[in-house]
Amino acid sequence: DAKTTQPTSMDCAEGRAANLPCNHSTISGNEYVYWYRQIHSQGPQYIIHGLKNNETNEMASLIITEDRKSSTLILPHATLRDTAVYYCIVRLGSYNTDKLIFGTGTRLQVFP
Amino acid sequence: GAVVSQHPSRVICKSGTSVKIECRSLDFQATTMFWYRQFPKQSLMLMATSNEGSKATYEQGVEKDKFLINHASLTLSTLTVTSAHPEDSSFYICSATRGPYYGYTFGSGTRLTVV
Repeated sequence: DAKTTQPTSMDCAEGRAANLPCNHSTISGNEYVYWYRQIHSQGPQYIIHGLKNNETNEMASLIITEDRKSSTLILPHATLRDTAVYYCIVRLGSYNTDKLIFGTGTRLQVFP
Repeated sequence: GAVVSQHPSRVICKSGTSVKIECRSLDFQATTMFWYRQFPKQSLMLMATSNEGSKATYEQGVEKDKFLINHASLTLSTLTVTSAHPEDSSFYICSATRGPYYGYTFGSGTRLTVV
């Protein structure tokens, strides 16, 4: 079973920030939090990942709480093309056999 | 960088035949590749993990004799759906990684329709 909990769906107005929460209360100390998104009928696209520090790249920011039990993905200025299913994933397994187990994700709808 | 090519993007086959799907890492050597299946309006379900030169590790409930995985080189893994049936119709997606600290790159997926 997936080790994360996300809201089923969210709406966001175009141009506004989209804040997508994720709970991972059973995360262990050496597990990373990954975010991917999937636009309809395409393969998932990597967004960002982090361990304990906040991370930022050209796509988004990742805020991880100090206890690491939850995180928030922030899309600073959402566009219509950001409409997708967003998956928060905690990486499982040992170093050599790590695999990504997808949960149900959050369906983000950006509206004009 | 880190591009994964998956081919074909769509395939229609007759029931009882076999279909091969290719997954290639174009600009990196993939130590590990993963195969997922996704039914409509559902999440991705991991089917198997393959490491170059060794046998694939299948997830519980996935028939290894039906879904043959070959990872013959560091840039190519193939999934063969043998004796396909309509219930095998799905969206199949591969993923590749150089190692956990490099992240995971996904292919664009293959939509298989068995008629």
